[in-house]
Amino acid sequence: DTGVSQNPRHKITKRGQNVTFRCDPISEHNRLYWYRQTLGQGPEFLTYFQNEAQLEKSRLLSDRFSAERPKGSFSTLEIQRTEQGDSAMYLCASSLGLAGGNTGELFFGEGSRLTVL
Amino acid sequence: QQPVQSPQAVILREGEDAVINCSSSKALYSVHWYRQKHGEAPVFLMILLKGGEQKGHEKISASFNEKKQQSSLYLTASQLSYSGTYFCGTGRSGGSNYKLTFGKGTLLTVNP
Repeated sequence: DTGVSQNPRHKITKRGQNVTFRCDPISEHNRLYWYRQTLGQGPEFLTYFQNEAQLEKSRLLSDRFSAERPKGSFSTLEIQRTEQGDSAMYLCASSLGLAGGNTGELFFGEGSRLTVL
Repeated sequence: QQPVQSPQAVILREGEDAVINCSSSKALYSVHWYRQKHGEAPVFLMILLKGGEQKGHEKISASFNEKKQQSSLYLTASQLSYSGTYFCGTGRSGGSNYKLTFGKGTLLTVNP
């Protein structure tokens, strides 16, 4: 297993366009997270899936953002009608949680960098 | 609700020690520590759980004071490879540790 994979790695789009990011987690991980990171800041929680169920979505996230995880495998994050303020690094992470002696660590992908012009 | 990290930045010479602090205004269930190098993904270092359990990196130690809602990361005999930005992520008491709130980070630079 090569870890968490995200694509595209970079996306430049014009304001008002829709963009979609894909995340392929580590295969046995049931937990999947999306975070957003801007320059000089720590990752900001966006949403969380356990298997295929989206259990929480940040209240800071507007209705333009939607995420799915069909069949509990890969996940997509779609941003509709992009705005310049959406420019950021979008990080996906997966984990096993704390049960069974696991560390609960998040394994992050290298991120998808979005630039909205 | 974002934890406060201090210092914001620290510069060391190889072999020196450093302490990075993370403080929250809310009761915590867990504290995670991650290191991120420029242009790379954050990498897990350690998790500290309410009740004293710790899991993680063999060469880096940390403490978690539940009453004070504070955690400290201890980097001893620093190596050049320790350079990067260190983030603490806190999991709230009463909730699952899945929703981590990260601090703004501490930039650590280790020089030869």
